[in-house]
Amino acid sequence: DAKTTQPTSMDCAEGRAANLPCNHSTISGNEYVYWYRQIHSQGPQYIIHGLKNNETNEMASLIITEDRKSSTLILPHATLRDTAVYYCIVRVDNAGNMLTFGGGTRLMVKP
Amino acid sequence: ETGVTQSPTHLIKTRGQQVTLRCSSQSGHNTVSWYQQALGQGPQFIFQYYREEENGRGNFPPRFSGLQFPNYSSELNVNALELDDSALYLCASSEKDSNYGYTFGSGTRLTVV
Repeated sequence: DAKTTQPTSMDCAEGRAANLPCNHSTISGNEYVYWYRQIHSQGPQYIIHGLKNNETNEMASLIITEDRKSSTLILPHATLRDTAVYYCIVRVDNAGNMLTFGGGTRLMVKP
Repeated sequence: ETGVTQSPTHLIKTRGQQVTLRCSSQSGHNTVSWYQQALGQGPQFIFQYYREEENGRGNFPPRFSGLQFPNYSSELNVNALELDDSALYLCASSEKDSNYGYTFGSGTRLTVV
């Protein structure tokens, strides 16, 4: 699986959009971009995934650049409960494959 | 629809002992994976089970072993515990070849003293 690079930490004001970047310059054509988050004392939670088109669900939006070398997870209206570590993972879309977690981005949403 | 449940939530063991952690997968999920998460780090893949057989393994020694049962629940066994085995152990379930993400449990916090 391709390696990802994320900022170690970010702050966001409550109610504002949180934009979390991820670089994956060595991504292969058959690798998807997945985002998970881990709230303190809980297991990771699946957020969203995509291949090359932008995706949106009830939790977030995923914007993938045209060359697929980077992506951005957008939480449109961050709340205090969105404070968590966010992991960007790229992998072949096969549930038989493991998830390779990096260090993630620690997002702190402040009032 | 129930999620992934793990037991126990916390456990303290002595170095050299053996431990068994348990996981009940989400309804409808037939694949179970186990991860180890040391403090301040991302989860690391231990192994995955599908149809009661190991279906992939990470860089962990043989003293880490597992089982999957016909109802898709699973156990993680660790023999000869070492201090460095102290971590949060996470179980995740999914459908084989599903296009969607894994569902994780809240984990078992193991402390080896």
